[in-house]
Order: sequence, then structure tokens, then C-alpha cells
Amino acid sequence: QKEVEQNSGPLSVPEGAIASLNCTYSDRGSQSFFWYRQYSGKSPELIMSIYSNGDKEDGRFTAQLNKASQYVSLLIRDSQPSDSATYLCAVNSQGGKLIFGQGTELSVKP
Amino acid sequence: GAVVSQHPSWVICKSGTSVKIECRSLDFQATTMFWYRQFPKQSLMLMATSNEGSKATYEQGVEKDKFLINHASLTLSTLTVTSAHPEDSSFYICSAKGLAGPRDTQYFGPGTRLTVL
Repeated sequence: QKEVEQNSGPLSVPEGAIASLNCTYSDRGSQSFFWYRQYSGKSPELIMSIYSNGDKEDGRFTAQLNKASQYVSLLIRDSQPSDSATYLCAVNSQGGKLIFGQGTELSVKP
Repeated sequence: GAVVSQHPSWVICKSGTSVKIECRSLDFQATTMFWYRQFPKQSLMLMATSNEGSKATYEQGVEKDKFLINHASLTLSTLTVTSAHPEDSSFYICSAKGLAGPRDTQYFGPGTRLTVL
């Protein structure tokens, strides 16, 4: 069973701090990695995709991928209360499917 | 770009009735659409994968006769919950994947909240 693991949290950080979210996956053949944000009662929205080892930055978000260690992380700089949500890590699988982690709940305190 | 809509956004129905949910890709052609279900405080559960013009592929444990999926065009997929029961009450979310854009990326619709009385 191919798996994606995340700490469920909640992860609590003060406003302005860096939030670090981690994810590990079991399928070494995975090539595409995604972070989605899901607010309570809403559907997931795509934050970032990453396909190569290293860092990828987009505004306050940085995704990091290490295929050798089979982990992907998301850093959120200058965290804002509006960043409070559940963050889902997703990894591609056969048939075009995505395997999702359980999600990490982030709470940014003013 | 990459906008996916769902209709209705919420529906309340009586036990035993059928409910149809539509999923549309508004600005791209979706070669593949996916249907998920999410219960409160739980992660997404993939129900089925549908490709335009072919039968849907259901995940293990999902009743194909209860959850009918039709992907009639490159912009429209429908999920029909037949003979709905209270335990089918959930948040149903579709996603779509096209040929354009970042590889393997799924774009999600806003979801449909189903309540079966």
C-alpha cells in the first residue's frame, strides 16, 4: 500500500514566524509532489507543485523535495492568521491518481 | 485559469431518492476527472477515476451501482448517488486534470455538501 504520511498536528506558530510542514512517502517511483491548502468546510486549493530535488519558492511559500530520503516539505514564511488551515501533501500514483496524506492542521496565532 | 465548478453546492434530500452532482472544467479540457468524498475531520477519500468516453474506475469498497459516474465530455462529469441513505451524507468533491499545465496536477471543484434525511 503506497502511503503518504504527515503529522496531523495541530501545529501552532505565532504570527510572523516560519511554519514548517513535513511529509514522507513510500513509493520511490513517484515523480510529482503537491501541497494543497484546505480551509474548514472548503475544498482543497493548490499551493505548489514540485518535481525536482531542491527548493522551489513562490512568494512566502517554499517547497523542498528530497527524493533520496523520500520527503517533501513546505515552509511558510511570515505566517499570517489567514494561513490557518489544513495542509495536504499529495504524491502522484499510477493511473494519474494522487495519494493524499491525512493533512497537517496549522494554526497561526495573532 | 484551471477553474472547476460543481453544482449544486449543497443539497438536502430524503432517504431513498437519487441525487446528481455535476462537475465542470470551465477553462480547460479535462482528460481525467476524479471524485472524492470527505467526512468531517478526515482526509480525502478517492471514490473513482473517470476518463472521457470510458467507464469509470472505482476504488475498492466503493459500490459502482450506487455511485454512478458519467464523463460524457471533456468538460463535464456527473456523479449520481442512487437510493441515498443518511450514511451517504458527506462532502463530495471533484477534481479535474488536463493535458495543459503542470504535470499530474489536479484542480478541485468547490465541493457539494450532501445531507440525506
